[in-house]
Amino acid sequence: AQKITQTQPGMFVQEKEAVTLDCTYDTSDPSYGLFWYKQPSSGEMIFLIYQGSYDQQNATEGRYSLNFQKARKSANLVISASQLGDSAMYFCAQKTGANNLFFGTGTRLTVIP
Amino acid sequence: DVKVTQSSRYLVKRTGEKVFLECVQDMDHENMFWYRQDPGLGLRLIYFSYDVKMKEKGDIPEGYSVSREKKERFSLILESASTNQTSMYLCASSQPGTTYEQYFGPGTRLTVT
Repeated sequence: AQKITQTQPGMFVQEKEAVTLDCTYDTSDPSYGLFWYKQPSSGEMIFLIYQGSYDQQNATEGRYSLNFQKARKSANLVISASQLGDSAMYFCAQKTGANNLFFGTGTRLTVIP
Repeated sequence: DVKVTQSSRYLVKRTGEKVFLECVQDMDHENMFWYRQDPGLGLRLIYFSYDVKMKEKGDIPEGYSVSREKKERFSLILESASTNQTSMYLCASSQPGTTYEQYFGPGTRLTVT
């Protein structure tokens, strides 16, 4: 069975600082994908970044990067230069089977001015 | 841009009522999904569909059914609403491909009294 673990229910970061949100996963499938989504208070889930299990380099999208450590089965999200608008819930998810995503329980990030 | 819309942002229903939650996507995606989101539990998959008239059970299908008569529309049905179905319901769509990222609607917050 798929398992995604986000051990940080809440995190605080000072504006303009970098923050790392942890995510570990568990799968026996050699081919898989890992996603991060942001959910602001408005409720909509926003796709941030994707890492495939065969990708050689860590994924980056603007201020977001994914620290992918395959041997440790971790896929941590790094947000650089935090902004007040980054305050939100963040979910890690793993692609299972052909199309499904299995989500972690989320981390609430609060950016402090 | 992909647009996924849900029929209501907020809904209040009584125990025992039949409830319909509608979801429409405008990008001709083959895959559509229904999740419920509860604090501390993340997103859990209720049902998904790979094609018109096709449906598959997710992790928590009990008490729910779905209908997909047209490609763009995926309906979630609560046959007899109960208070433990009070939750946020999120619809998503995706197109089979390399990343399979899912695009989410704004969510429907359902309260069953």
